[in-house]
Amino acid sequence: GQQVMQIPQYQHVQEGEDFTTYCNSSTTLSNIQWYKQRPGGHPVFLIQLVKSGEVKKQKRLTFQFGEAKKNSSLHITATQTTDVGTYFCAPSNDYKLSFGAGTTVTVRA
Amino acid sequence: EAQVTQNPRYLITVTGKKLTVTCSQNMNHEYMSWYRQDPGLGLRQIYYSMNVEVTDKGDVPEGYKVSRKEKRNFPLILESPSPNQTSLYFCASSLDRDEETQYFGPGTRLLVL
Repeated sequence: GQQVMQIPQYQHVQEGEDFTTYCNSSTTLSNIQWYKQRPGGHPVFLIQLVKSGEVKKQKRLTFQFGEAKKNSSLHITATQTTDVGTYFCAPSNDYKLSFGAGTTVTVRA
Repeated sequence: EAQVTQNPRYLITVTGKKLTVTCSQNMNHEYMSWYRQDPGLGLRQIYYSMNVEVTDKGDVPEGYKVSRKEKRNFPLILESPSPNQTSLYFCASSLDRDEETQYFGPGTRLLVL
């Protein structure tokens, strides 16, 4: 599958602060999905990005697809304890998803 | 309630003893797949199925078999499990070719001794 690198691998955030996690590919992606997995849970679909430069927002979450469609980012503002979990990016190619290793987020109150 | 179910949720077995992990979805989805999740590696696709009787290898198919005799079921078979197959397994489904969002089951944690 398509290889993507997610950075950072771990993100420890103070409650109320913002942070960004990045997903980088060496090849052009047709589209990319983002998933969230809570501790002990299963991945849950968050969003799909398809167009170059696309930006989508879900409340405090902002997702962006790079102009060259080789990278994507997830920015969370005013982090809350409910944001704890691992965030995966997953480029899709021919209906096969390839997941990055994920960014595991912990929040200190 | 629309869902993907897996059984068993937890399994401890020994090397070489055949096992099957079942996956079922009640959403009439055409596409189903299996993933394994290991620390630091994310989720890796094992097999997927585009529809009944249509299956194909994912990124890490070695040591696994699948079948898709009915639309709702997609069992994962380990004919001769080995310790390196100790992992967390997820089944997922999506509606069809045009709907790529995948819905995941709760996971099956497998330990092979």
